[in-house]
Amino acid sequence: AQSVTQLDSQVPVFEEAPVELRCNYSSSVSVYLFWYVQYPNQGLQLLLKYLSGSTLVKGINGFEAEFNKSQTSFHMRKPSVHISDTAEYFCAVGPRTYKYIFGTGTRLKVLA
Amino acid sequence: AAGVIQSPRHLIKEKRETATLKCYPIPRHDTVYWYQQGPGQDPQFLISFYEKMQSDKGSIPDRFSAQQFSDYHSELNMSSLELGDSALYFCASSLDYRPPYGYTFGSGTRLTVV
Repeated sequence: AQSVTQLDSQVPVFEEAPVELRCNYSSSVSVYLFWYVQYPNQGLQLLLKYLSGSTLVKGINGFEAEFNKSQTSFHMRKPSVHISDTAEYFCAVGPRTYKYIFGTGTRLKVLA
Repeated sequence: AAGVIQSPRHLIKEKRETATLKCYPIPRHDTVYWYQQGPGQDPQFLISFYEKMQSDKGSIPDRFSAQQFSDYHSELNMSSLELGDSALYFCASSLDYRPPYGYTFGSGTRLTVV
């Protein structure tokens, strides 16, 4: 079975400060890993994904994530956040079948 | 670029009523997925269809049914609605059954059961 754990339910951070959103997964097979962002009352938008190859992946809006197989982690970072980054962020794992398994989400709140 | 279209955006129903949610995938996408996201919760997979056949099933109640039509749009039918069915329902589509290649979500239908 596969699962995803997002270690922080809420992360407050001041504007222009760096942020790291943590995600750990468990799987007995190769995985695809994703980060999605959800703004209030909106759908899920893909930020970045790891399929294979380089363990450092860059996404949209200045986010990047690093796949660490030995630590089964896929933490995402941004060097300088903006007020507009305030949203809910979901980590997800995708087996090579039909569905994603989502983490419980991390609410990022950027403070002025 | 065309996206996944869901209708309606908002729906208010009373308990024990029936609701139908529609999903129009990106053109040429042949796979549709339905997710349910309760208040403050992560999305939970309900059901998926590939080439008009059910391909996978998650935590979908027996009161719910879904199908994919010949034009690849999908409908989620929900009967005997309960207060706990109030949630945001997402549809996603992809080309073929390879999720990493173009798994795109719609903006969701917010269902409120009163």
